[in-house]
Amino acid sequence: KAGVTQTPRYLIKTRGQQVTLSCSPISGHRSVSWYQQTPGQGLQFLFEYFSETQRNKGNFPGRFSGRQFSNSRSEMNVSTLELGDSALYLCASSTRGRADTQYFGPGTRLTVL
Amino acid sequence: KQEVTQIPAALSVPEGENLVLNCSFTDSAIYNLQWFRQDPGKGLTSLLLIQSSQREQTSGRLNASLDKSSGRSTLYIAASQPGDSATYLCAVLAGTALIFGKGTTLSVSS
Repeated sequence: KAGVTQTPRYLIKTRGQQVTLSCSPISGHRSVSWYQQTPGQGLQFLFEYFSETQRNKGNFPGRFSGRQFSNSRSEMNVSTLELGDSALYLCASSTRGRADTQYFGPGTRLTVL
Repeated sequence: KQEVTQIPAALSVPEGENLVLNCSFTDSAIYNLQWFRQDPGKGLTSLLLIQSSQREQTSGRLNASLDKSSGRSTLYIAASQPGDSATYLCAVLAGTALIFGKGTTLSVSS
C-alpha cells in the first residue's frame, strides 16, 4: 500500500498571503489529522476529520481551516500568513482515528517571509 | 490538560549499548500510547503502539511498556546501532488527537 502523501513538500510564502496544503491518506483510511511542528512548540494538533466531518480541533486561530473530501483526501488552508506560521505541517491517517496506529506523511515545510 | 514529558532531551551512547527512553503523562484517560521515530527534516515513523489495556509491546530490538496508573511509559532499545540515531517521540491519544512530548534525540556512535 502507498503511504500518506503530502503536497507540496516545500512552500515559500510572504506575510499576508494564504496557502493550501494537501494530504492523501493511505487507501481505506477515513481519518485524517493535521499537526504543526515547530522547534519551540514541538508537535501540536490542528484538527481531525473523519468521513468529511471535523471531529476535533486544536487550539489554533480561525485562520487555520481544513476540509475532507469524499475520497478521504484532505486539505488545510492558512489565511493571512504570519511569520510564526513557518513550520513543518504533518498529516496523519488512520482507519478510524481512535485506538489505531497513526501513519504520518513526510510533511510540507512552509516558510513565511 | 494532558501534558507529555520526555526525559532525557538528548542522549549519546556508544554502539551496542542497551538504553531506555522515558515518557510521562499527566492524565491516565488515554486510548493508547504511541512511540515514533523522526529523522531530521522528515515525517514520523510509527514504532510501537500500546493500547490502554496493554502493558507492553515488542518489535525486534524495541520494547515499550505502559503503566497507566503512574502515567509512565518506557522505550527500551537493545544493542543500539548508529542507524538508531534519530529523535524519538512519545504521544498519547486523547480523544482523536495525539498529544506529543518534545522528544529525546538519540545519537549512537560507532
